[in-house]
Amino acid sequence: GQQVMQIPQYQHVQEGEDFTTYCNSSTTLSNIQWYKQRPGGHPVFLIQLVKSGEVKKQKRLTFQFGEAKKNSSLHITATQTTDVGTYFCAGPTNTGNQFYFGTGTSLTVIP
Amino acid sequence: NAGVTQTPKFRILKIGQSMTLQCTQDMNHNYMYWYRQDPGMGLKLIYYSVGAGITDKGEVPNGYNVSRSTTEDFPLRLELAAPSQTSVYFCASSYLPPGPQHFGDGTRLSIL
Repeated sequence: GQQVMQIPQYQHVQEGEDFTTYCNSSTTLSNIQWYKQRPGGHPVFLIQLVKSGEVKKQKRLTFQFGEAKKNSSLHITATQTTDVGTYFCAGPTNTGNQFYFGTGTSLTVIP
Repeated sequence: NAGVTQTPKFRILKIGQSMTLQCTQDMNHNYMYWYRQDPGMGLKLIYYSVGAGITDKGEVPNGYNVSRSTTEDFPLRLELAAPSQTSVYFCASSYLPPGPQHFGDGTRLSIL
């Protein structure tokens, strides 16, 4: 079946360092979504990528969709303590009605 | 706008008890989803609905049931609670897939 894997599972960085999480799918995706979940909170939608090779930026966050549409990455420049949380990618099934969520990357920022 | 509202926020059940987790949304979204999230893990889809009267199984439907009698409400039913169902349950909705999903605050459920 379809699988969406994320690495690393955990990442600890000093405040000001960069951070990257990678998402890999076993199948080609029509699109990919990224969510952030603060500790004790619920997932919050960040962005959706649709086109092959697409790159989108939100302030210090850069999202990329691979050329083959099977992988994606989220890069945070100069992390801040407000970036703490777990970042999930999610890709749709073939019907598009369901989403498979990645295992998530938990980011800890050390002040 | 309230968005997606889940009740209760916390619940402790005994093995074999049953309960209904409530979820309602006021955004007129057609698509609604139930996920469970075990500690340190990602979200697993339990059931989803593409509109009133239509539901379908996700990855982990065993032990659960759902109904969708209105656009707004999508309750999740646990008939015979088991310790393996201890988890955080999230309800989500979206206008159309693959659009962004809006999540509720979650229900933290413990089965003892």
